[in-house]
Amino acid sequence: DAGVIQSPRHEVTEMGQEVTLRCKPISGHNSLFWYRQTMMRGLELLIYFNNNVPIDDSGMPEDRFSAKMPNASFSTLKIQPSEPRDSAVYFCASSPFAGNNEQFFGPGTRLTVL
Amino acid sequence: AQSVTQPDIHITVSEGASLELRCNYSYGATPYLFWYVQSPGQGLQLLLKYFSGDTLVQGIKGFEAEFKRSQSSFNLRKPSVHWSDAAEYFCAVGSVNNAGNMLTFGGGTRLMVKP
Repeated sequence: DAGVIQSPRHEVTEMGQEVTLRCKPISGHNSLFWYRQTMMRGLELLIYFNNNVPIDDSGMPEDRFSAKMPNASFSTLKIQPSEPRDSAVYFCASSPFAGNNEQFFGPGTRLTVL
Repeated sequence: AQSVTQPDIHITVSEGASLELRCNYSYGATPYLFWYVQSPGQGLQLLLKYFSGDTLVQGIKGFEAEFKRSQSSFNLRKPSVHWSDAAEYFCAVGSVNNAGNMLTFGGGTRLMVKP
């Protein structure tokens, strides 16, 4: 298996622009997670899905952030409008819903908002 | 609510020396515990995990960890560190509810290896 795939790997944009990050989970995994990593705040869970349904989005910083999972093999995280404080590495992870919690991480998207 | 504390933000060891990274957790039930490693510019890779049974678990790259319920700890160890082990290490505790699986991560420990 190719593992969790994220695109783009790097994104540089200007403040106010819309940014869309993409994730393809491992085939057969039922849970998908979006994390944000910064030096100041470490690794934060933003939102997670189970069977394509958002379960907990309490970590989403504000209404500028939205996430969707239209099917079992694709998810997006959108920031609109983007701000410099959104600069971070965004990770997607997937997990089989088998009760063992192991999560498999993608390589991340490094976002820079100028 | 569950939480994970990694008391050491940075650790420096000499190549060939032994290593122990500390992890303390807070969780109301029997925890699922994990150690992940993150090399620069990379995602997180699972080193090892504890679900039940033997409290000493072996992982990849020569790492092991010991679950001590009485101390609420899950420390990571390696007998002899290699330069390639320089990375950031994250301890995590897992919970399962009716809706799915979640992990709570510690703040991480950055390991530097001196030649």
